[in-house]
Amino acid sequence: DTGVSQNPRHKITKRGQNVTFRCDPISEHNRLYWYRQTLGQGPEFLTYFQNEAQLEKSRLLSDRFSAERPKGSFSTLEIQRTEQGDSAMYLCASSPGGEHYGYTFGSGTRLTVV
Amino acid sequence: AQTVTQSQPEMSVQEAETVTLSCTYDTSESDYYLFWYKQPPSRQMILVIRQEAYKQQNATENRFSVNFQKAAKSFSLKISDSQLGDAAMYFCAYRSSYGGATNKLIFGTGTLLAVQP
Repeated sequence: DTGVSQNPRHKITKRGQNVTFRCDPISEHNRLYWYRQTLGQGPEFLTYFQNEAQLEKSRLLSDRFSAERPKGSFSTLEIQRTEQGDSAMYLCASSPGGEHYGYTFGSGTRLTVV
Repeated sequence: AQTVTQSQPEMSVQEAETVTLSCTYDTSESDYYLFWYKQPPSRQMILVIRQEAYKQQNATENRFSVNFQKAAKSFSLKISDSQLGDAAMYFCAYRSSYGGATNKLIFGTGTLLAVQP
């Protein structure tokens, strides 16, 4: 098991374009999370999946953001009509069931909107 | 809603010395979990240590230990015998013990630790 994998590592896009990020969690983990982190700040929660069900979405996740986790395996996060304010590190994490577990994080996708 | 506060944006320590990073949190729940994560310059977050609120004994992992004061809602991290590889951003995080929508980790703003040789 190679841990949580995120692709791409870096993405530069022009304002108004759509982008999609992928996260492959640890295979035994049924819980998957997306966070956004801006420079010098802590990660902010975006959304949570348990298996294929999206159980919680943050108010930070505007209508331009959508996330999926088909078949409860990998997940994708899409941002439509990107804005400069979307520039951030997007982190994916996974965990087994049970609140006493911490998360295992991926290395993140750095998005720059120009 | 729960909040996590880290009041030290930056800290510095000499190699081989001991440093303590502070964290306070606010919650109305009685049962929860607290975590310290390390984020080196490569940006991958790594779990350092975990504390269950119902346990009075402070957690310890090698050179890392915590001082958990439940009544004061304080959760500090002590790093002993600091090493150059300890230089990183450290995040304190809270997680409810109740399942469902409160499942997520809530992070503080982080403390950037520098280790001087």
